[in-house]
Amino acid sequence: SYELTQPPSVSVSPGQTARITCSGDALPKQYAYWYQQKPGQAPVLVIYKDSERPSGIPERFSGSSSGTTVTLTISGVQAEDEADYYCQSADSSGTPHVVFGGGTKLTVL
Amino acid sequence: QITLKESGPTLVKPTQTLTLTCTFSGFSLSTSGVGVGWIRQPPGKALEWLALIYWNDDKRYSPSLKSRLTITKDTSKNQVVLTMTNMDPVDTATYYCAQSDLYCGGDCYHFDYWGQGTLVTVSS
Repeated sequence: SYELTQPPSVSVSPGQTARITCSGDALPKQYAYWYQQKPGQAPVLVIYKDSERPSGIPERFSGSSSGTTVTLTISGVQAEDEADYYCQSADSSGTPHVVFGGGTKLTVL
Repeated sequence: QITLKESGPTLVKPTQTLTLTCTFSGFSLSTSGVGVGWIRQPPGKALEWLALIYWNDDKRYSPSLKSRLTITKDTSKNQVVLTMTNMDPVDTATYYCAQSDLYCGGDCYHFDYWGQGTLVTVSS
């Protein structure tokens, strides 16, 4: 079955830039999406269509795509950005199925 | 304002069938492109997509769980129901429903709005 691969953890100091990657063979054909999830809360969409930001999401969140890897970048990381981040996409079958990555824990040192 | 809320049992016994209802407001499942999906998250683990139903009754299921899942909609009641058969302790998780919109300038499969989730424990 199709899988999206994320690093388990990323650590950065406040004010630095955090980059979280997600790899999958179908990413050149399907959009990627990113969610932020804080403890005890439902996920929140922070990036859609690889690089679009929903209204209300701070500009420090951005997304990019290159081949089979997509990247969530958080510039000027703040303490409140500490959370789990999940990428999501779909497989490239005739009737696409949703798939989530394994999640990345972002720690703000 | 779009809201979704999950409801159902908090405790089920092994081998039983789980039935969860997602009741939503602020959008219609008769609108072209709109869908509602189910996603679960075992304690301390990652999100796992389960199923998705669209306005046109197109249904998608996780390949690994397809044999155990059924998703249906009642447009008049603004509800989507998920049933999962043969429950096992490994199915203990928080179950979320979420709204999707296929049309975003290309086919899209993301979830814009999520319910608060409901914790289902499988134990005898």
